[in-house]
Amino acid sequence: DAKTTQPTSMDCAEGRAANLPCNHSTISGNEYVYWYRQIHSQGPQYIIHGLKNNETNEMASLIITEDRKSSTLILPHATLRDTAVYYCIVGAGAQKLVFGQGTRLTINP
Amino acid sequence: ETGVTQSPTHLIKTRGQQVTLRCSSQSGHNTVSWYQQALGQGPQFIFQYYREEENGRGNFPPRFSGLQFPNYSSELNVNALELDDSALYLCASSLSGQGVKGYTFGSGTRLTVV
Repeated sequence: DAKTTQPTSMDCAEGRAANLPCNHSTISGNEYVYWYRQIHSQGPQYIIHGLKNNETNEMASLIITEDRKSSTLILPHATLRDTAVYYCIVGAGAQKLVFGQGTRLTINP
Repeated sequence: ETGVTQSPTHLIKTRGQQVTLRCSSQSGHNTVSWYQQALGQGPQFIFQYYREEENGRGNFPPRFSGLQFPNYSSELNVNALELDDSALYLCASSLSGQGVKGYTFGSGTRLTVV
């Protein structure tokens, strides 16, 4: 079973920051937080991951709370191409991803 | 650098038949994982192959089986197809040791069982 809770859907205006929350209150000390997204008719795409520090890359920023029980994925300047289902996943080791239902993010013009 | 290629893209089969889905992994990747994604759901882990052997399996019956070849490409075989097997089947390749952040997914095979 997925160990994360995400809102089912969210909307954001084009050009604004999209903030996607995720709760993972049962996360273990050695588990990372990963974010993937799935654009319609494509396979999931890795976005970013983190353990306890905030992380930033060319796609997004990841803010993890100090107690590690929740996190927020930030897309700083959302575009129409960011419309997708976003999955927050926690886990350790290399074997598999346990996906939940994800958040369907719609970017509106 | 080529990505993950899956074939066919779409497939229609009759209940009770058998199906083989194929996956070519990304160049340099030696591990292949398969996922099943039912409509409106997140992908579910089926199994992973590393060095031509199964290296972990999800909650799927034995009629789901796989192979990995020396060139790291892979097949997913499903016997005795059931209507509930209708789904998008995703293949992901990775390099052992990189962890799940290194997964590259293909675009999937859409299987419809009628």
